[in-house]
Amino acid sequence: NAGVTQTPKFQVLKTGQSMTLQCAQDMNHEYMSWYRQDPGMGLRLIHYSVGAGITDQGEVPNGYNVSRSTTEDFPLRLLSAAPSQTSVYFCASSYSQWATDNEKLFFGSGTQLSVL
Amino acid sequence: RKEVEQDPGPFNVPEGATVAFNCTYSNSASQSFFWYRQDCRKEPKLLMSVYSSGNEDGRFTAQLNRASQYISLLIRDSKLSDSATYLCVSDRSNSGYALNFGKGTSLLVTP
Repeated sequence: NAGVTQTPKFQVLKTGQSMTLQCAQDMNHEYMSWYRQDPGMGLRLIHYSVGAGITDQGEVPNGYNVSRSTTEDFPLRLLSAAPSQTSVYFCASSYSQWATDNEKLFFGSGTQLSVL
Repeated sequence: RKEVEQDPGPFNVPEGATVAFNCTYSNSASQSFFWYRQDCRKEPKLLMSVYSSGNEDGRFTAQLNRASQYISLLIRDSKLSDSATYLCVSDRSNSGYALNFGKGTSLLVTP
């Protein structure tokens, strides 16, 4: 199993450009999520999905869109990139949608995004 | 106020030392707690779950105090390889697997 695969690993955008960060998992996990990590801020939840066709907003959803058309894929779209979106983005997945089940949350290796 | 607060450190300790990290959480309805480890420029990885009864995994001991809304991690006999950032994590309660991450505590173990 490849686990959680994120692409690209690095990306530089100009303000106003759009792009999609890809996330795929091959573990048949129900739950997938996107976090961003900024210095001094910790990880903050952007959007999450508890199954195909179901998505919901996290703590910092503005400027991002997601969709979950298949169990495996959960892409994150930046509609019009802004310098404030410069960050490291992590995709994560878990078998169970409930943390109380203590199912492990698997993270992808991250995408370093810079918006100029 | 952030839901999970922890001392950012850095904690600089010599090899073999015992070091303890603490964190507090604000949501009394949170039910699940974890410690994650994150190496520089890498993804977080689960170190251990935290239970009210306390749990131990080799040199690592985690403890939860619900009354004080306080979580701790004790590392005994520190190794150079323990150098990393340790993230205190709670669930968001009633929101499935959405998690609240602390900002992390940086540990540097020196020879």
